[in-house]
Amino acid sequence: GQSLEQPSEVTAVEGAIVQINCTYQTSGFYGLSWYQQHDGGAPTFLSYNALDGLEETGRFSSFLSRSDSYGYLLLQELQMKDSASYFCAVNGNRDDKIIFGKGTRLHILP
Amino acid sequence: SAVISQKPSRDICQRGTSLTIQCQVDSQVTMMFWYRQQPGQSLTLIATANQGSEATYESGFVIDKFPISRPNLTFSTLTVSNMSPEDSSIYLCSVRQGFHEQYFGPGTRLTVT
Repeated sequence: GQSLEQPSEVTAVEGAIVQINCTYQTSGFYGLSWYQQHDGGAPTFLSYNALDGLEETGRFSSFLSRSDSYGYLLLQELQMKDSASYFCAVNGNRDDKIIFGKGTRLHILP
Repeated sequence: SAVISQKPSRDICQRGTSLTIQCQVDSQVTMMFWYRQQPGQSLTLIATANQGSEATYESGFVIDKFPISRPNLTFSTLTVSNMSPEDSSIYLCSVRQGFHEQYFGPGTRLTVT
């Protein structure tokens, strides 16, 4: 089976940096993805890691350690519009379904 | 990226009735998925609907309750049958492009009374 653990809520200050962690247990592993979802909206794809290391996309970065079954999403220069839920997700192989974690609600304080 | 539309965007239905949700994609895709999401909760996969094959259902979901059609590479329907209040949720259609990116429709908010 597959399971993913991430914090249910994180609070940070506008302009700061925040890290959202994700640990996973899977029978197979192809990659770790991150999705953002604003209230009332659909999830949108943010990033993907298949290999160990850091992937950077603008203010957002994602990290993966396959040996530790661990990854994180790093958000820099936080803006109020970053207030949303963030989901980590894994797929066991290339053509497999993606399973989502329970999501982390990010609250940003002015 | 794929653009996905869903109909209806929301509906209020009576217990015991059925609702069919339509999902239209602006490009041809092989892999299509149906998810359910309670407000503030995670996404639960109902089934995978690949064109040319029977839908594959996840544990806890059965074809009689959630029949799916996938007549071509741009369209799918999910029917929620014999509804009860427990079926009240947001239903999302999603497609896979490339090896890992998934795109989601805006969702159908269903309330069963």
